[in-house]
Amino acid sequence: EVQLVQSGAEVKKSGESLRISCKCSGYNFIAYWIGWVRQMPGKGLEWIGIIYPADSDTRYSPSFQGQVTISVDKSITTAYLQWSSLEASDTAIYYCTRHSITVAGILDYWGQGSLVSVSS
Amino acid sequence: EIVMTQSPATLSVSAGERATLSCRATQSVNSNLAWYQHKPGQAPRLLIYGASTRATGIPARFSGSGSGTEFTLTISSLQSEDFAVYYCQHYDNWPFFTFGQGTKLEI
Repeated sequence: EVQLVQSGAEVKKSGESLRISCKCSGYNFIAYWIGWVRQMPGKGLEWIGIIYPADSDTRYSPSFQGQVTISVDKSITTAYLQWSSLEASDTAIYYCTRHSITVAGILDYWGQGSLVSVSS
Repeated sequence: EIVMTQSPATLSVSAGERATLSCRATQSVNSNLAWYQHKPGQAPRLLIYGASTRATGIPARFSGSGSGTEFTLTISSLQSEDFAVYYCQHYDNWPFFTFGQGTKLEI
């Protein structure tokens, strides 16, 4: 069974750093692109970026380039999303997603979401 | 950047009725369009891809149509569990994707 299990809720202050995780299991981790999606309070879904675990090839939405870093640890089949200096506007739910291997671009499995709350 | 616009923002319907949700792209995305269902507190779920292909396990009451810039998600005979927010997403210029702003389907 494919599972993407994300780390728990985080409460941080502006300027602090943070890394959230997405533990993937039930499939060949290195063969599927993994992505991250943001949902700000009361808002819709926004695509952040994706990474290919086999070689860590990473692509970012222009809106998020330079704001976050996506990475993986193949040894523990885990993907990460990190910030070096959080802002209050980073408050959101963040979802990790698996991209289909047969239809590039569709998100066939999602994590349960990680709530990040940042106070100013 | 391709912008996806969904309408209406909110759709009020009754159980048993038919719901039609629209998604428009600012330029052609061919048939590279997916629909997702998102319920509060849950992860979004893939419903439709390739504009009209149902994902595994999705009931036949969900159907998608369209190509180019105009797309429709139809839910025939709404069930109580169908009330949620629905998002369209294009994937025509991989690896860049954008979502629509969502349509809330409510009773």
